[in-house]
Amino acid sequence: KQEVTQIPAALSVPEGENLVLNCSFTDSAIYNLQWFRQDPGKGLTSLLLIQSSQREQTSGRLNASLDKSSGRSTLYIAASQPGDSATYLCAVKTGGFKTIFGAGTRLFVKA
Amino acid sequence: DTEVTQTPKHLVMGMTNKKSLKCEQHMGHRAMYWYKQKAKKPPELMFVYSYEKLSINESVPSRFSPECPNSSLLNLHLHALQPEDSALYLCASSQTGTSGRSQETQYFGPGTRLLVL
Repeated sequence: KQEVTQIPAALSVPEGENLVLNCSFTDSAIYNLQWFRQDPGKGLTSLLLIQSSQREQTSGRLNASLDKSSGRSTLYIAASQPGDSATYLCAVKTGGFKTIFGAGTRLFVKA
Repeated sequence: DTEVTQTPKHLVMGMTNKKSLKCEQHMGHRAMYWYKQKAKKPPELMFVYSYEKLSINESVPSRFSPECPNSSLLNLHLHALQPEDSALYLCASSQTGTSGRSQETQYFGPGTRLLVL
């Protein structure tokens, strides 16, 4: 059974700091891995999607990497801003339509 | 337009009520999903519709009844819910109705926050 773990559960950093969020999964047989952002009480916004054949994806200040063989992904956020404060979720797509989410990392960026 | 809309935004209902949640997308997506999310927990898949047919039912109690009347619309009918069903209900869609596509992004709506008294 696929399990997705995110570390740390919560993170507080000063504005401007570069930071790394971690995601690990137990079964390397995935179709893709997606990083989402969720603001309190809101829906999910897709940030980056990495296909199983890819190693990394970049969008603006965000860079996500995938090492399928070791079951790990990282989300790198450069020059963090208070507006980046949110919960970040990683999710792996397994067989069929199923997507398994991690519990998320709650990020707080202090001005 | 990459928007998934959900109505209502908030819903309070008693355990004997019948209510419905609505989800709509106009991106031409052929797969639509219902997720349930409890506070500070990850979303959990409930149902998946592929080409307007129910593809996945994750052993959800029968008091939740999904419906996909057309390719743009997804409903979730609620009846005789329990207080523990209080949660954020999220709808999502993805482009094709074929499973196994590695490059597909799921687009989520803002959710309906449900409180069962």
